[in-house]
Amino acid sequence: GEDVEQSLFLSVREGDSSVINCTYTDSSSTYLYWYKQEPGAGLQLLTYIFSNMDMKQDQRLTVLLNKKDKHLSLRIADTQTGDSAIYFCAERRAGGGNKLTFGTGTQLKVEL
Amino acid sequence: EAGVAQSPRYKIIEKRQSVAFWCNPISGHATLYWYQQILGQGPKLLIQFQNNGVVDDSQLPKDRFSAERLKGVDSTLKIQPAKLEDSAVYLCASSDRAGAISGNTIYFGEGSWLTVV
Repeated sequence: GEDVEQSLFLSVREGDSSVINCTYTDSSSTYLYWYKQEPGAGLQLLTYIFSNMDMKQDQRLTVLLNKKDKHLSLRIADTQTGDSAIYFCAERRAGGGNKLTFGTGTQLKVEL
Repeated sequence: EAGVAQSPRYKIIEKRQSVAFWCNPISGHATLYWYQQILGQGPKLLIQFQNNGVVDDSQLPKDRFSAERLKGVDSTLKIQPAKLEDSAVYLCASSDRAGAISGNTIYFGEGSWLTVV
């Protein structure tokens, strides 16, 4: 299948943790990515995880991968107002060159 | 290091007119991509170049869209004639290798915003 699915919205209070979820359908995915898009801007790569890993941590970001359930999540610790943006997960499939298939994006709103 | 450059940033045209977007990838990057991002959706790959050859153009509407990368560096994406549903952000991206085993990073430009009225 082609679908990479995400929930549309997430609202959190400043200082709390945010968890953004993503499900994908292709078990041949080799790498999974998280991109951030601020208003009027392009896509900024936040982090990625190789499909044989379960977890990757990078400062405030923690990526969890459940390959059996084809579920990916991004946890942002101590969420700040500057984290407000749209977050996209994307998968790269084996044999697909370097083509990325993106999810629909999750809009994160951080409230004071 | 300079990022992916795109122009124009914004364009408004009437339906049935034509438009062209330009992209300059990061220096040395062999692979160049054009993605279309419709409002409220994730980006969708239109075409992928490796140097000046096309790797994937399966989702490019070839009756109206064309793209070229003649010298393996800069690229142009053209739409002629434009339709209302072509209103979107056109994102150019580049990477240094395609299909690499390592986590090959794709870098995106800020996009060209097209409104067709």
